[in-house]
Amino acid sequence: SQQGEEDPQALSIQEGENATMNCSYKTSINNLQWYRQNSGRGLVHLILIRSNEREKHSGRLRVTLDTSKKSSSLLITASRAADTASYFCATDAYGNNRLAFGKGNQVVVIP
Amino acid sequence: NAGVTQTPKFQVLKTGQSMTLQCAQDMNHNSMYWYRQDPGMGLRLIYYSASEGTTDKGEVPNGYNVSRLNKREFSLRLESAAPSQTSVYFCASSEYGTDTQYFGPGTRLTVL
Repeated sequence: SQQGEEDPQALSIQEGENATMNCSYKTSINNLQWYRQNSGRGLVHLILIRSNEREKHSGRLRVTLDTSKKSSSLLITASRAADTASYFCATDAYGNNRLAFGKGNQVVVIP
Repeated sequence: NAGVTQTPKFQVLKTGQSMTLQCAQDMNHNSMYWYRQDPGMGLRLIYYSASEGTTDKGEVPNGYNVSRLNKREFSLRLESAAPSQTSVYFCASSEYGTDTQYFGPGTRLTVL
């Protein structure tokens, strides 16, 4: 079963606005990751947050993790057209280096 | 440094045909994975190999076999393709003990 599940949103925003997407999961985890997938391409790792962390930043990305609610959010600030992609969260719910991916959020940034 | 490479990029099969999807990584990673991605879905794990010489089933292994040929290469075989196997297939690798995975560009497979 899918352990990471994003809110099934297709987000369309103007360039320069912020984009926020959410992810919920079902079991306890050691970490949660976010990946980006551009159309027709493989996934690219963006950021990893550990279960003992509440917030993490990487460039224009901000990730939060609430283990009590089993949820995470990804914020992209000052979005650019190049941020147009699908974003997936993934947890280590299965253990042994296996990841459980959510269904993804599609983000379209309009120039 | 090519990362993770996959061949072929596209393939069309008829029901019942067989084929092997190839994957190679040049990052000296121990662990390798095969996923499938269907429209509107996340990735589902088919098989994985935690280290050279070992393979294990993932979430959706039925209809597939794998071979970890050496540390670099991990192949996925469809013995008798079915339309339900129409999908995009991704190979990934990671260093054992870390959870960050590196993905190939994918193989788009259509089974008629």
